[in-house]
Amino acid sequence: AQKVTQAQTEISVVEKEDVTLDCVYETRDTTYYLFWYKQPPSGELVFLIRRNSFDEQNEISGRYSWNFQKSTSSFNFTITASQVVDSAVYFCALSEAGYSTLTFGKGTMLLVSP
Amino acid sequence: GAVVSQHPSWVICKSGTSVKIECRSLDFQATTMFWYRQFPKQSLMLMATSNEGSKATYEQGVEKDKFLINHASLTLSTLTVTSAHPEDSSFYICSARERRNTGELFFGEGSRLTVL
Repeated sequence: AQKVTQAQTEISVVEKEDVTLDCVYETRDTTYYLFWYKQPPSGELVFLIRRNSFDEQNEISGRYSWNFQKSTSSFNFTITASQVVDSAVYFCALSEAGYSTLTFGKGTMLLVSP
Repeated sequence: GAVVSQHPSWVICKSGTSVKIECRSLDFQATTMFWYRQFPKQSLMLMATSNEGSKATYEQGVEKDKFLINHASLTLSTLTVTSAHPEDSSFYICSARERRNTGELFFGEGSRLTVL
């Protein structure tokens, strides 16, 4: 069975601070995919990144970066120099081989204040 | 990227009525679509997997007769909440996988249902 744990329910930061959102996953498959989605107050899910289990390279995209460590089963997400527009709920998700369904973590609500 | 559209975005209905939510893949063919439900301040929970031309596969605890899913074409799946009650009020989100099974999943904008 697969499981995704986002231990941080809510994080509050002040603009320009860096913030890291944690994600720990469990799976028995050797082939799997990890995702991060952003859900702003409007409700739609915004795709941020997909990473397969064979690619442990960290990725940077603008102010966003992801740290994938199979040794600790973690896929953490860091926002550098946070902005008010980053305020949203962020979901980490896992899909096992075959891309069948996504198992979502409970989400972390990020509040960035001016 | 590919686009998945849901309609309506929000709906308010009286208790006892049925509500239909549509999920369309606009620029690709989707053999498989997934329906999720999200309660306020909670995560997304998979309700069912909808395969074109066959019966949907429901997750444990989801009432088949309550949540009717139809996937009649490669671009359209519908979720009908029958005899809706206030406890059915929720945010419903669909996602679709491209026919070529590249693995990419695309999400609709979601539909917010409020049952009075």
